[in-house]
Amino acid sequence: AQSVTQLGSHVSVSEGALVLLRCNYSSSVPPYLFWYVQYPNQGLQLLLKYTTGATLVKGINGFEAEFKKSETSFHLTKPSAHMSDAAEYFCAVSVNTGNQFYFGTGTSLTVIP
Amino acid sequence: DAMVIQNPRYQVTQFGKPVTLSCSQTLNHNVMYWYQQKSSQAPKLLFHYYDKDFNNEADTPDNFQSRRPNTSFCFLDIRSPGLGDAAMYLCATSPRGWNRQETQYFGPGTRLLVL
Repeated sequence: AQSVTQLGSHVSVSEGALVLLRCNYSSSVPPYLFWYVQYPNQGLQLLLKYTTGATLVKGINGFEAEFKKSETSFHLTKPSAHMSDAAEYFCAVSVNTGNQFYFGTGTSLTVIP
Repeated sequence: DAMVIQNPRYQVTQFGKPVTLSCSQTLNHNVMYWYQQKSSQAPKLLFHYYDKDFNNEADTPDNFQSRRPNTSFCFLDIRSPGLGDAAMYLCATSPRGWNRQETQYFGPGTRLLVL
């Protein structure tokens, strides 16, 4: 069975500080992992994804994530938070049948000026 | 720009009154999905079309139906909306759907309010 756990439903950071959003997965097959961002009253936008190859994945807006198989984790980081990063972030694992995504429950990021 | 479009962005309906939400795409993608997202929750897949083949999730209520008349358009019909159906409804597409590496491309969503 596949599942995604996002630790911390709300994270607050100061502008310019490191952003760390945690994601752990459970998958019976090698996972394909995604991070999506959702701004208020908008749809989801892909930040980055891991499929195969390099375990450190770089995405848009300065975000990156590292796939760690031994820890079953895919944490999202950004060295310096910007006010525009305030949004809801969803981690997802992809499974084979019908290309279904299993989403985590999301982490709301607040950036404090 | 190629995109996923949802209309309307906000929809108000009355308890029990049928409502239809629409989604269109200019990406020419094979697969279209409908998700329900309630406040502060993860999107929940309701069903998807793989080309013309309809795939319903096991726990999707019968109250929810979908139509895909052509590649570009997909509709979500709620036959008798209840208060619990108030949510954001997200449409998404993916190119082929048989490859789980594929990114899903989301529309901006339709927020449904049931009075």
